[in-house]
Amino acid sequence: KQEVTQIPAALSVPEGENLVLNCSFTDSAIYNLQWFRQDPGKGLTSLLLIQSSQREQTSGRLNASLDKSSGRSTLYIAASQPGDSATYLCASNSNSGYALNFGKGTSLLVTP
Amino acid sequence: NAGVTQTPKFQVLKTGQSMTLQCAQDMNHEYMSWYRQDPGMGLRLIHYSVGAGITDQGEVPNGYNVSRSTTEDFPLRLLSAAPSQTSVYFCASSYSQGASYEQYFGPGTRLTVT
Repeated sequence: KQEVTQIPAALSVPEGENLVLNCSFTDSAIYNLQWFRQDPGKGLTSLLLIQSSQREQTSGRLNASLDKSSGRSTLYIAASQPGDSATYLCASNSNSGYALNFGKGTSLLVTP
Repeated sequence: NAGVTQTPKFQVLKTGQSMTLQCAQDMNHEYMSWYRQDPGMGLRLIHYSVGAGITDQGEVPNGYNVSRSTTEDFPLRLLSAAPSQTSVYFCASSYSQGASYEQYFGPGTRLTVT
């Protein structure tokens, strides 16, 4: 079974800092790696999806990279803002294209 | 385009009661799935469907039933609720576009079993 690990579990940074969230997975035979944002008490919002043939994806201040050989993905957030405070989840689908294996998330707090 | 919708948003059940959590999507996605989210456990797959009439078990299927009679709907039935089923339930749908299976999630149902 694919195991997905996210480090750190929690992170607090001052506004304006650039930061990196880490995700590792045990099975390199993945279809996608998808990053989500979850606000307290809310659902999951998809941020970025990286297909197995891609190395990175960018959306605004977010950049996600994928290194299948090392089983790692990173989510880079540039110039963090208090509104970025949320839990960030990574998930991969490997042995089937439609079922995701989730990490437990990184809880991010950006302080003004 | 409403995306993935779930009802109800909140529900309280007594042990032994049964109920159905509703999930619908209007994106004509072939794949639908149910996850539960528990503190410290992350999201875990309960059941999934690859199309109308086809369902299969995920990681934690015990105590739950599903059926998929239409592309749009994928209800989750709790047969006899137990306190261990207190959780937040998310429905998701996805489609295959080449090698991409981007998943879209509903807003969730918060279930408490007393």
